[in-house]
Amino acid sequence: ETGVTQTPRHLVMGMTNKKSLKCEQHLGHNAMYWYKQSAKKPLELMFVYSLEERVENNSVPSRFSPECPNSSHLFLHLHTLQPEDSALYLCASSPSRIQPQHFGDGTRLSIL
Amino acid sequence: GNSVTQMEGPVTLSEEAFLTINCTYTATGYPSLFWYVQYPGEGLQLLLKATKADDKGSNKGFEATYRKETTSFHLEKGSVQVSDSAVYFCALVGGGADGLTFGKGTHLIIQP
Repeated sequence: ETGVTQTPRHLVMGMTNKKSLKCEQHLGHNAMYWYKQSAKKPLELMFVYSLEERVENNSVPSRFSPECPNSSHLFLHLHTLQPEDSALYLCASSPSRIQPQHFGDGTRLSIL
Repeated sequence: GNSVTQMEGPVTLSEEAFLTINCTYTATGYPSLFWYVQYPGEGLQLLLKATKADDKGSNKGFEATYRKETTSFHLEKGSVQVSDSAVYFCALVGGGADGLTFGKGTHLIIQP
């Protein structure tokens, strides 16, 4: 039990589909993050939310749209993705933005 | 900006061998340093951390010392086990940036 739960664990979708990834934490943390992990590449920070407010967007394409309705939930809405978007998407949370992060087990996304 | 450089591997060792995984970093100010471990099919888990110069982080037999003069945070273990086989990530937070900056990860394989 990591304290950070991601669903689904695996997702296969076509390029024209719309889907959402969900992340939930009940650790009482105030910051939440989305990362992309691709083979042979460093972990890429996509989005940072602090107290439900987006504080960083690292030049992520608009086909990825985050949503943080409250401090316990974080979503990543996906639409018209490309094959190069196939990756493991990791969610993390931390008490504040300068403290260690706790990760979920990720969603393995495959784009057909 | 911040950056982390670590040996990529794969690093293959025999059980009970001594392990060193090198990590060096570039950051402004005084970042906090971390080692994360990722077992197959799972997210990242915090292994150990150090928040200031000369601090030594330790956990599960692993150790790393925050060396500001050499900007390094090398991971060591005196006697590795097959169960230590995983991908190890060096990371930092601070230096004016949000979220963690990761190295590319080192794949460690321990053979019986």
